[in-house]
Amino acid sequence: AQRVTQPEKLLSVFKGAPVELKCNYSYSGSPELFWYVQYSRQRLQLLLRHISRESIKGFTADLNKGETSFHLKKPFAQEEDSAMYYCALSGPDEGGSEKLVFGKGTKLTVNP
Amino acid sequence: DAGVIQSPRHEVTEMGQEVTLRCKPISGHNSLFWYRQTMMRGLELLIYFNNNVPIDDSGMPEDRFSAKMPNASFSTLKIQPSEPRDSAVYFCASSPFSSGRRYNEQFFGPGTRLTVL
Repeated sequence: AQRVTQPEKLLSVFKGAPVELKCNYSYSGSPELFWYVQYSRQRLQLLLRHISRESIKGFTADLNKGETSFHLKKPFAQEEDSAMYYCALSGPDEGGSEKLVFGKGTKLTVNP
Repeated sequence: DAGVIQSPRHEVTEMGQEVTLRCKPISGHNSLFWYRQTMMRGLELLIYFNNNVPIDDSGMPEDRFSAKMPNASFSTLKIQPSEPRDSAVYFCASSPFSSGRRYNEQFFGPGTRLTVL
């Protein structure tokens, strides 16, 4: 079964410091990985996906199949990055059902 | 486009009462998802529909929960009878479907915060 683990419930950094939000997954097939973000009083929204290999708002994430990880990184955190971040995985389960499995989320706080 | 619309935004009810949550997906989207968010369990998929047909309801916690999608523009999630442990934020999301793509971005509604006393 698919599983996504975000080991940190809370992460606090200072503005300008590097930030890394960890995500590990468990899946026997070839997954698609995503990061979703929820800013205060806003809807949950897609931040980036691994197949796009793009940088969004300065964030990047590399899929490491050997370590089964998809950590989210930003070299210089900004206060507006404060939000709840969810790592998610998509891939057919044993029943062939395609769905998105989310981690429990990491709340990032960037202090001034 | 107003995006995914959910109602009500907040619901407070007493244990044993029936609760109905509503969702209007983005026009043209073929897939609709219901999620539940709690501090303990994070974001859990309850059920999802493709073209109004339930595809996977393995996340529905028990028979007290039911979901319907009578047409492409409306879905309901019903809890009867409600219990305090059902207190959570319930999200609806929709996505377009494109043949040949495994996954399409999900667009989330603002959520319904349910409190069962």
